[in-house]
Amino acid sequence: GEDVEQSLFLSVREGDSSVINCTYTDSSSTYLYWYKQEPGAGLQLLTYIFSNMDMKQDQRLTVLLNKKDKHLSLRIADTQTGDSAIYFCAESKGGYNKLIFGAGTRLAVHP
Amino acid sequence: GAVVSQHPSWVICKSGTSVKIECRSLDFQATTMFWYRQFPKQSLMLMATSNEGSKATYEQGVEKDKFLINHASLTLSTLTVTSAHPEDSSFYICSAGDISNSPLHFGNGTRLTVT
Repeated sequence: GEDVEQSLFLSVREGDSSVINCTYTDSSSTYLYWYKQEPGAGLQLLTYIFSNMDMKQDQRLTVLLNKKDKHLSLRIADTQTGDSAIYFCAESKGGYNKLIFGAGTRLAVHP
Repeated sequence: GAVVSQHPSWVICKSGTSVKIECRSLDFQATTMFWYRQFPKQSLMLMATSNEGSKATYEQGVEKDKFLINHASLTLSTLTVTSAHPEDSSFYICSAGDISNSPLHFGNGTRLTVT
């Protein structure tokens, strides 16, 4: 199967929380990442989590890591229309900076 | 924070010509740079890894003679698409890392259109 898997689409109402899920395969990944991509733009590093952590919170963003199940999630609190974008989960293959990306989750925020 | 600059942001070229894309790390020394390719509505596919002062390592299926990578300094890597064809049209994105293996930062990408 694919190295990194994500659901392709998520629709939420403005003000609600969004949860984007990801599963990965490389248990030696040092970091796991979440990137945001807006149309026609490059990737913006949103947040990352070190593999020995379970949770990381940064303002509206909360990352949860279940290393046993190789499951990563990104929660966006109080989702705004400006959060509409594609969100990529990535694992660092072999423990370093060679990133393998999921297919991306398109987040649509509606009023 | 760390900044990676990619240039040009978009380019249109004729079939058979070559195009050079630059990736610069602006405030850190990038010992390693990565080149990705992204097709419309798809994920990023790693093309190659370049280490300063040595030959690039290409991923399986990527033609090294087609996509020439040079990483001559700690702040600059270039990707040259040689004898471009319409099927090379894509979005190319670079990323850069330093020796600390801290999280990578990406350039804003280059949209290449070959006519």
